Order: sequence, then C-alpha cells, then structure tokens
Amino acid sequence: NAGVTQTPKFQVLKTGQSMTLQCAQDMNHNSMYWYRQDPGMGLRLIYYSASEGTTDKGEVPNGYNVSRLNKREFSLRLESAAPSQTSVYFCASSAASYGYTFGSGTRLTVV
Amino acid sequence: AQKITQTQPGMFVQEKEAVTLDCTYDTSDPSYGLFWYKQPSSGEMIFLIYQGSYDQQNATEGRYSLNFQKARKSANLVISASQLGDSAMYFCAMRGINTGRRALTFGSGTRLQVQP
Repeated sequence: NAGVTQTPKFQVLKTGQSMTLQCAQDMNHNSMYWYRQDPGMGLRLIYYSASEGTTDKGEVPNGYNVSRLNKREFSLRLESAAPSQTSVYFCASSAASYGYTFGSGTRLTVV
Repeated sequence: AQKITQTQPGMFVQEKEAVTLDCTYDTSDPSYGLFWYKQPSSGEMIFLIYQGSYDQQNATEGRYSLNFQKARKSANLVISASQLGDSAMYFCAMRGINTGRRALTFGSGTRLQVQP
C-alpha cells in the first residue's frame, strides 16, 4: 500500500545510546517531516525537508539530526539519547496542496 | 509564527448527538490552510477536513463540518450524529500557503468520548 513507512515501531534505549529512525514514502512527495508527540502537547515539529537535499530545524531540534537521503527517505538520528526524548515520533510527507500523509509512529522509550 | 489553541482537553457527548470542538489560531500569513485530524487509541493520524483561508464556504466532509470564522480566527470542528467510533483525540492544525515552509503546526488536542 502507498504511504509512509516508519521503522522501528517500538524501541527502548539506554541513556547515551544512539539510534536512527527510518522513514520512507512512495508517493513522490517533495516535503517530509519529523514530529514528536508528548502527552498533552500535540505534535511538535523537530525537522523538516522541503525537498531533496534540504533540511531545516523545526520547533524542537535539539538532540536530533536528520538526513534526506533521497526523495523517498528521511531519517532522524539521536546521537546520545536522553530520557527527555521518550516520546512517539511521527514521520509525514506532503505534496504541494494540502495532502499530508503520516506514518504509523515509533514509540521510543529512553531509560 | 503560527499558533493553534484548543481549549477543551476533554469532551463528552451522547451517541447520535452533535458536538463542537473548538480551535482558535494565530498567524501572520495572509493565506493559510486549516486542518483537523483524528487520532484513535491505535495512534495513527487520520485526516478529516481542510479549510483554505480564502474558501468562500465552510468545508464539509460527511458528518464533519468546519465552522470557519475568519474574523474571529476560529475553525471549530462540528461532528454531527456522533458514533461510538468517534471516540478519539482530535487535533487542529494549520500551515501557511504561500510560504516555503509547509510544515503543519498542531494544537494540543481534545479528547472526545462518545457515550452510549
């Protein structure tokens, strides 16, 4: 099925460990996004990529890095995980108008 | 900068009744789009309805309608004939249209519980 695929779906990390969240879309969308969702706070933008080869910081970029590997893939890396990064992470992509598609999310726990 | 405010953390409604979920926004963009998403307990984000700032009529999609009052900067979601399956978190979101930044800005959400 066409859409946004995120891996992994669940992950437990120890403080200080690193990991990369993967995201891929097969809709030929130019723009891709990473959000985090904490209880009671809605979704907050971490980073986004307006097109292949470009990335920009969002509202809460500290502690994260991203790579827009190609038009399909946009990865999020935690270099040294902290308990404050425990959250649900969503990847999304969009076309020019108003069609946004979200992945199913990654539930990350940092202990 | 854009800001979305949802002032109702939780709402209850009886099955088959209508319910209004409030959303106010603030933006400096002259053109913008307003969105509502549903997030059931399974966690996925489901698009419900979209309203462009220059659309002449309020958007409707089946049982969902958006009560858009531009002067008051409000974009309330109305769900008619509530069903048990409507129980979920609901998020209002917006983006500027004629800006290079296409990311959505979300509100904090409203948890709707439909009672039989």
